[in-house]
Amino acid sequence: GQQVQQSPASLVLQEGENAELQCNFSSTATRLQWFYQHPGGRLVSLFYNPSGTKHTGRLTSTTVTNERRSSLHISSSQTTDSGTYFCAIDQTGNYKYVFGAGTRLKVIA
Amino acid sequence: DPKIIQKPKYLVAVTGSEKILICEQYLGHNAMYWYRQSAKKPLEFMFSYSYQKLMDNQTASSRFQPQSSKKNHLDLQITALKPDDSATYFCASSQENERLFFGHGTKLSVL
Repeated sequence: GQQVQQSPASLVLQEGENAELQCNFSSTATRLQWFYQHPGGRLVSLFYNPSGTKHTGRLTSTTVTNERRSSLHISSSQTTDSGTYFCAIDQTGNYKYVFGAGTRLKVIA
Repeated sequence: DPKIIQKPKYLVAVTGSEKILICEQYLGHNAMYWYRQSAKKPLEFMFSYSYQKLMDNQTASSRFQPQSSKKNHLDLQITALKPDDSATYFCASSQENERLFFGHGTKLSVL
């Protein structure tokens, strides 16, 4: 089955530092998304990015499909960025997104 | 103003009982999903539906039964509840199988 590996598992940053989160997957993904989970539990879609590079605010997602990897770059981190970031892959195109274990980010002031 | 409504937000049940988790989406999406998140495992895919038809099912137990009475509804019936079923259950929707949007979740505790 599809395996989704995220690294690092956890990360602590000083406010203002940048972060690079990695997602590697075992088979070619037809679709890929990045999500943010608030400490309270709410899940928010950050990027739908099956290939290429996308930007929104301080976030950049880059997916290299033939290398089976994606990254999420957070620039100038803020305490409000604290939470868990998930990568999810749909390999089959059959409405089944498989999630990685997440990267837990803590940004301290 | 949430576009994906899950009810109830919190649910406490006794072992052996049956509960229904409600999910309605007002995004006009054709696809709906159930995911489960517990302390022991990451977000775990359970079911996906498109146009009220089952697309994929990753739940081994028949105690979990999705029910789609309308195209914007996908409820989850759980029978013979066990303490191991304790988790937060998230409903999600998408247009085709692109960007997923999640509800706030139902936190289920089975005693």
